[in-house]
Formats: sequence, structure tokens, C-alpha cells
Amino acid sequence: EVQLVESGGVVVQPGGSLRLSCAASGFTFADYTMHWVRQAPGKGLEWVSFISWDGDSTYYADSVKGRFTISRDNSKNSLYLQMNSLRTEDTALYYCAKEEGMSYEFDSWGQGTLVTVSS
Amino acid sequence: DIQMTQSPSSLSASVGDRVTITCRTSQSIATYLNWYQQKPGKAPKLLIYAGSSLQSGVPSRFSGSGSGPDFILTISSLQPEDFATYYCQQTYSTPYTFGQGTKLEIK
Repeated sequence: EVQLVESGGVVVQPGGSLRLSCAASGFTFADYTMHWVRQAPGKGLEWVSFISWDGDSTYYADSVKGRFTISRDNSKNSLYLQMNSLRTEDTALYYCAKEEGMSYEFDSWGQGTLVTVSS
Repeated sequence: DIQMTQSPSSLSASVGDRVTITCRTSQSIATYLNWYQQKPGKAPKLLIYAGSSLQSGVPSRFSGSGSGPDFILTISSLQPEDFATYYCQQTYSTPYTFGQGTKLEIK
């Protein structure tokens, strides 16, 4: 069974930094592109970033470009999101998601980790 | 960026009703269109991928159609567990944008 477990969400002040982690199990992590998606309280889903299976390709939403960095460690079956220069508008539940092949759909999601940016 | 416009934004319906939700894209995306269901406090769940392919384990009352710019999610006979928020998503090009969501409520 595929499992994705996010961690690292806390309350942080504006301008601060944070690293989120996503521990994967139940599938061959190194074979799959992975994504981060966020959801602000009471709002819809916003795609944040993706990283290819080998880490060679990464993409970011304009809203986080230059501030967030996605990475992975295939030896540890783990995905990361380094978040710098945090803003109040980054407050959200952050999900990691596994991409499947045919339509690049997100077939498995974690339960999310909450990041609150507040002074 | 590709814009996704879902309609309606909310919908009231009864158990047994047939329901359709539409997603309009701002440019051609072939069939790189996926549908997700999200219940309160839960992660999104994949229902339909590639416009019309039913994800494994999803009941057959859910179906998807369309090929751009209009895509449709149909629930043929609403069940109590279907009351949730539904999102479309395009994966044709980054950023992989989502629609704003359609909240399906019990009438």
C-alpha cells in the first residue's frame, strides 16, 4: 500500500524558513515524479512544485519561485520542500503527491502538514 | 498559465440525482485533465484521469468526458458519500493548475 507521510509543519514568523519532509513507502520511490500541493485554510488546491524521478528536473509555481526549493533523497525514500522568506500568504496545508504516468495525474496523496506563517 | 474555470462553484442535490460539473480550460490541453474529490479534513482523492479514465477502485457512477475546452464530470446517481468538493486539474503544462472547486451539498 502506498503511503506518503508529511512532517515539519509548524508556526513560523514572516521571513523565516522551514523544511518540510515527505516519507514514502509501498512503492519504488525512485521511479516516480513527486509534487507538492498546498491548500490555504478554506481555499482550493494550489500546485506548488514538482521534481522528476532523478531530481534533474524541477518546476515551481510563480508564487514560490526563488523562495522554495524541492529536493529528494531516493536512498531515503524522502521528498523535501525547503521554504525560505516565508510570507503570511504561504500559510496552508502542504500535501505531497505521487505522479502516475498516463495523464501525469496525482494518484496518491499524503495527509498534509500545516504551515502557519504569523507574527 | 492555463486557466481552469469550474462551474458551478456550488451545487445542491439529492441522493439519487444525476449531477454534472463542468471544467473549461483557457487553451487546448488534449485530454490532460483529471478530477479529484475532497472531503472535509481529508486529502484529495483521484477519481478520473486523462479526461475519461476511471481510477481503480472508484465507483462506476463517476464518469468523465470532453476533450477541450470543456470537460465534464458526471455522477450518475448521487450517494450520501459523494457529498464533497470536486476539483479539476490540467497536467498539460506547468503550472499544473486546478479549478476553483465545486462544493456538492445535500439538498
